[in-house]
Amino acid sequence: DGGITQSPKYLFRKEGQNVTLSCEQNLNHDAMYWYRQDPGQGLRLIYYSQIVNDFQKGDIAEGYSVSREKKESFPLTVTSAQKNPTAFYLCASSDYSNEQFFGPGTRLTVL
Amino acid sequence: QQQVKQSPQSLIVQKGGISIINCAYENTAFDYFPWYQQFPGKGPALLIAIRPDVSEKKEGRFTISFNKSAKQFSLHIMDSQPGDSATYFCAASMDYRDDKIIFGKGTRLHILP
Repeated sequence: DGGITQSPKYLFRKEGQNVTLSCEQNLNHDAMYWYRQDPGQGLRLIYYSQIVNDFQKGDIAEGYSVSREKKESFPLTVTSAQKNPTAFYLCASSDYSNEQFFGPGTRLTVL
Repeated sequence: QQQVKQSPQSLIVQKGGISIINCAYENTAFDYFPWYQQFPGKGPALLIAIRPDVSEKKEGRFTISFNKSAKQFSLHIMDSQPGDSATYFCAASMDYRDDKIIFGKGTRLHILP
């Protein structure tokens, strides 16, 4: 089955720790995205990548980092510089048809 | 100019009624307007989308109405069912090669049984 997988589903982090969220797709899509979702805030774009080895900051990139070494993978690292990281994180991918396909999400909680 | 404004923030509709969610945009360069549906704890999924060369698109009980001059578009859910209870996001994008989509803040819809 083609699709996007995110892991883990739930993640707990202590303050001051970096954590990495995984996102993998087998849809052969060039573009991949990371969004953060908070109640009442909609989907806010963190980073996106339109091609391997290239990525751009979205609207709320501070405190986050990404890499795009493989077409299938776009991991997101939440660094200790992110002051309020507790949120639901969504990864998506798209081809040039505009439709974005979303993964099931990772819920990150800072203890 | 990059914003997409969505209303209402939440909506309660009786089973069998019509649910209506509205969105407005400023940037006339937008040329693709999708609606996404999200169930609790899941990722959003594309529900229906429209381009500005048509004023309406219908898929089953879901219809998008598009008013280019007013820069507004809306989602109508006919014969609303409890299974339609979800959060709905409107969105807009400018160019198929740009790939970046601007999302509204979402509408939480609850259909009363």
